[in-house]
Amino acid sequence: DQQVKQNSPSLSVQEGRISILNCDYTNSMFDYFLWYKKYPAEGPTFLISISSIKDKNEDGRFTVFLNKSAKHLSLHIVPSQPGDSAVYFCAASAHGSNSGYALNFGKGTSLLVTP
Amino acid sequence: AAGVIQSPRHLIKEKRETATLKCYPIPRHDTVYWYQQGPGQDPQFLISFYEKMQSDKGSIPDRFSAQQFSDYHSELNMSSLELGDSALYFCASSSTSGASTDTQYFGPGTRLTVL
Repeated sequence: DQQVKQNSPSLSVQEGRISILNCDYTNSMFDYFLWYKKYPAEGPTFLISISSIKDKNEDGRFTVFLNKSAKHLSLHIVPSQPGDSAVYFCAASAHGSNSGYALNFGKGTSLLVTP
Repeated sequence: AAGVIQSPRHLIKEKRETATLKCYPIPRHDTVYWYQQGPGQDPQFLISFYEKMQSDKGSIPDRFSAQQFSDYHSELNMSSLELGDSALYFCASSSTSGASTDTQYFGPGTRLTVL
């Protein structure tokens, strides 16, 4: 049962424009959310995270927005650069639950930034 | 900065053989996680250890076992290998203290191929 969903398998954006990657979750116990970037045959690279007590977190070109009532989060990349082309995974965990801090991943969105 | 180290990076085994994957966490990280990523799939949580004790268990087959040693490195032991065990195996580590508490940092992965 997929508790974290990324409904767009792929996204193509022009260089310099904004990339918006979306993620939905079903488990209301999730209270910590992360975005990872992944290249083929490499491990996921941590990008940015957000706790459920916040609705926005910003780090350079990356901003994550969290809408708890809608169980939705999004990652904004602006301006997008060709080097941002990769698969982006949304992940969530529930602190204090029986599942510990194990991450639940979405299936990923493949972002292509074209020159 | 030091990252998570995994060895070997690639491993080829025959059915019914055993395999041992090793993970060396980021220095001063006290928690280790193991994930399995099948082809075209999202990473699935297998098991985690905090301070050398198993802290959580996910979809880890009974044929697999793991432990964390006194130097915090971890090993995933896989026996009676099946074709379906062919996957990328990621180790991640995190710290329960400091500025990036609970953020999991991933290693490059071990690609296991079972023939």
